[in-house]
Amino acid sequence: DGGITQSPKYLFRKEGQNVTLSCEQNLNHDAMYWYRQDPGQGLRLIYYSQIVNDFQKGDIAEGYSVSREKKESFPLTVTSAQKNPTAFYLCASSTTGTENSPLHFGNGTRLTVT
Amino acid sequence: AQKVTQAQTEISVVEKEDVTLDCVYETRDTTYYLFWYKQPPSGELVFLIRRNSFDEQNEISGRYSWNFQKSTSSFNFTITASQVVDSAVYFCALSEWLLTGGGNKLTFGTGTQLKVEL
Repeated sequence: DGGITQSPKYLFRKEGQNVTLSCEQNLNHDAMYWYRQDPGQGLRLIYYSQIVNDFQKGDIAEGYSVSREKKESFPLTVTSAQKNPTAFYLCASSTTGTENSPLHFGNGTRLTVT
Repeated sequence: AQKVTQAQTEISVVEKEDVTLDCVYETRDTTYYLFWYKQPPSGELVFLIRRNSFDEQNEISGRYSWNFQKSTSSFNFTITASQVVDSAVYFCALSEWLLTGGGNKLTFGTGTQLKVEL
């Protein structure tokens, strides 16, 4: 079945450590996105990528980095510069050919930093 | 800047009641798309519907219906005869089409937690 796989589901890290969240899709979508979800704040866009080897900052990119070396993969690194990294992270993908194409989401990774 | 407001933080209903989730949006674009997503306890967001700004017809899909009113910038979602399985967080989202490269940049509301009890 086609879909988006995020791993791991739960991740625990000590403050000051960088951590990388995995996102893989087999939907053959060109565009991929990372959103952060906090209680009561909805989802906010961190980074997005429309094509391999290119990506753009979203609304809250500070303290995060991404890479897009393969069409299927869009890993997100939460760096030690992110001041409040504990959150639920959702990866998504979509086609780029039609304006009304919905985003397809993975199951998310819940990151806890202590 | 685009904005989506879901004023209802949490709604509780008894099974079989009808419930309407409100969504109000702001945009300067003349062409835009609106979406509704459902987030069950498992965490993933499930796509429910999309509507473009030129189509103000209401839509019905089973127990779900959507009322889009451009004059009031609202895109409300009604569940008829609610069921326990409808319990989830529901998000309304407004899209910004990325002209260079394509893809949809979504602005989400803060979500409405729906609890359906027996």
